[in-house]
Amino acid sequence: DAGVTQSPTHLIKTRGQHVTLRCSPISGHKSVSWYQQVLGQGPQFIFQYYEKEERGRGNFPDRFSARQFPNYSSELNVNALLLGDSALYLCASSRDRAETQYFGPGTRLLVL
Amino acid sequence: DAKTTQPTSMDCAEGRAANLPCNHSTISGNEYVYWYRQIHSQGPQYIIHGLKNNETNEMASLIITEDRKSSTLILPHATLRDTAVYYCIVRAYNTDKLIFGTGTRLQVFP
Repeated sequence: DAGVTQSPTHLIKTRGQHVTLRCSPISGHKSVSWYQQVLGQGPQFIFQYYEKEERGRGNFPDRFSARQFPNYSSELNVNALLLGDSALYLCASSRDRAETQYFGPGTRLLVL
Repeated sequence: DAKTTQPTSMDCAEGRAANLPCNHSTISGNEYVYWYRQIHSQGPQYIIHGLKNNETNEMASLIITEDRKSSTLILPHATLRDTAVYYCIVRAYNTDKLIFGTGTRLQVFP
């Protein structure tokens, strides 16, 4: 079975722009979580979606939003990009909210 | 979620067992111990998790002390491909997120 997939793999944006990152979960997984990992730190939780509803949110500004589609894939949107948004964005899927999370390869975002 | 403490870095010779310790002295009864690893610039890889019994799978063994205040991840025969940052995470069953610390950077040398 395919693992978690994310697109694009790399992205370069300029300050003030917006970006959309995409994630496809493992088949049969209904929960998707998003994490941000800046250089030298561990991943930080942004959102969890389960059955198309937001079930958890980390300490991130409203510029960050997400949604989950009927096929359980997900998008993370970031508006008004700042230099500090440069990071590896990770998506993880799990069968349900409480089960083991499996991570995708990430999208590396560079904001100039 | 309980906080974990791990050594910043460790070395291990190829072919030897790598024993990675983790302290989680404030763990509560419904919290699991999870281990992930992250090879440079890749997404974290799930290794193993447990509640109070020792666990083993094809990748590693997890030894949890009887008081559950610490645990050890054992890679029985380390290879160069096991060089990575290893994260020990304590997570309650019904929580939505994993809280990562800074992990242990394991360097396996020939």
